[in-house]
Amino acid sequence: QQPVQSPQAVILREGEDAVINCSSSKALYSVHWYRQKHGEAPVFLMILLKGGEQKGHDKISASFNEKKQQSSLYLTASQLSYSGTYFCGTEWVAARQLTFGSGTQLTVLP
Amino acid sequence: DAGVIQSPRHEVTEMGQEVTLRCKPISGHNSLFWYRQTMMRGLELLIYFNNNVPIDDSGMPEDRFSAKMPNASFSTLKIQPSEPRDSAVYFCASSFTDRDGELFFGEGSRLTVL
Repeated sequence: QQPVQSPQAVILREGEDAVINCSSSKALYSVHWYRQKHGEAPVFLMILLKGGEQKGHDKISASFNEKKQQSSLYLTASQLSYSGTYFCGTEWVAARQLTFGSGTQLTVLP
Repeated sequence: DAGVIQSPRHEVTEMGQEVTLRCKPISGHNSLFWYRQTMMRGLELLIYFNNNVPIDDSGMPEDRFSAKMPNASFSTLKIQPSEPRDSAVYFCASSFTDRDGELFFGEGSRLTVL
């Protein structure tokens, strides 16, 4: 069963912030975040393994709430290069495979 | 370092024909994944291998699909016979481990079945 992502699409102006949410109906072992630009392959952003873990890279960060079985990706002071589709991937405690959500299309306008 | 290499990049075929997609994972990676991406269904995991052994093929749509990994540096995904609904981008990805590891994706094989 796929994790649920929200929102489905976001349009921002350069410099604005955005939050993308990912939730699962099953207990999570880990959460991955990937970004895919049009016509390209998904590229890894980060992985969160522990409940309560937060990670950051540049102005993109994420948190993992194990109890709520959800993760959020935070993009602050967005840049044009942030445009793309963001996918969360979840690994369940009981199963190994990485299952992706339906994606959030992020568009950053000048 | 070469990334994950997939071939062909584009394939156009007619319904009923056999299609074989190929993947060479990154050297040293012991897990390999096949995903299919469509607008309607997003990124679906078809099958994954760990140390060349298929671990979970529950995502393979039906018997028309088969995947093999004869050695650590090569995998194939075969569709026989192909149908128009198989049209999609097929991605191969590899990782150093089958859990907790970053997935490195190939550039994908875009399949169109007429």
